[in-house]
Amino acid sequence: QSALTQPASVSASPGQSITIACTGTNSDVGRYDYVSWYQQHPGKAPKVIIYDVSNRPSGVSNRFSGSKSGNTASLTISGLQAEDEADYYCSSYTSISTRVFGGGTKLTVL
Amino acid sequence: EVQLLESGGGLVQPGGSLRLSCAASGFTFTKYAMSWVRQAPGKGLEWVSTISNSAISTYYADSVKGRFTISRDNSKNTLHLQMNGLRADDTAVYYCAKDWASSLSLWNDYWGQGTLVTVSS
Repeated sequence: QSALTQPASVSASPGQSITIACTGTNSDVGRYDYVSWYQQHPGKAPKVIIYDVSNRPSGVSNRFSGSKSGNTASLTISGLQAEDEADYYCSSYTSISTRVFGGGTKLTVL
Repeated sequence: EVQLLESGGGLVQPGGSLRLSCAASGFTFTKYAMSWVRQAPGKGLEWVSTISNSAISTYYADSVKGRFTISRDNSKNTLHLQMNGLRADDTAVYYCAKDWASSLSLWNDYWGQGTLVTVSS
């Protein structure tokens, strides 16, 4: 199972919005609405911020939103804040009952 | 409060074995699937294995299939990962993660802090 494809890095200024794309195949992202996104700060465990493509767990800011079109899922962060600087990973359930993660995207808040 | 506490990591020689454990608390352990996810130094997350709530079903990444065995003790709220035939590329922080569903790994709502496994001579 190949990893999902994400950009290695993205940067923007505070207050701006960014979108991170996550591209898979019709065996994972394109087949199921089980795409999730995780935020990881240095030295910390990952934290889920989006599940089932576009749902936010309780306590996660509404500045985070998710969507999907075909084989590509997207995470949008609006009103960027310094605390959003972190690594972001997408993940999907697959047709062979496994999970696959993206390679991760490093977000820099300028 | 959900807590997942991994243990058992350390330094092991290539070809050696190690058994990781994850003590779970704060939720009904028997209702949820559990997974292991690893992260090599400076690299991204890699799903390793999942076990269903009843331990009837197990799933493995191709990279560990035949070498790693996931198990759980529902009487002790504990998850295990038996790792045999360890290789240098198994070096990583191993995270224990709670799954949202009972039988499959769809997404993980809680993660432990991880335990470091280093495979080196």
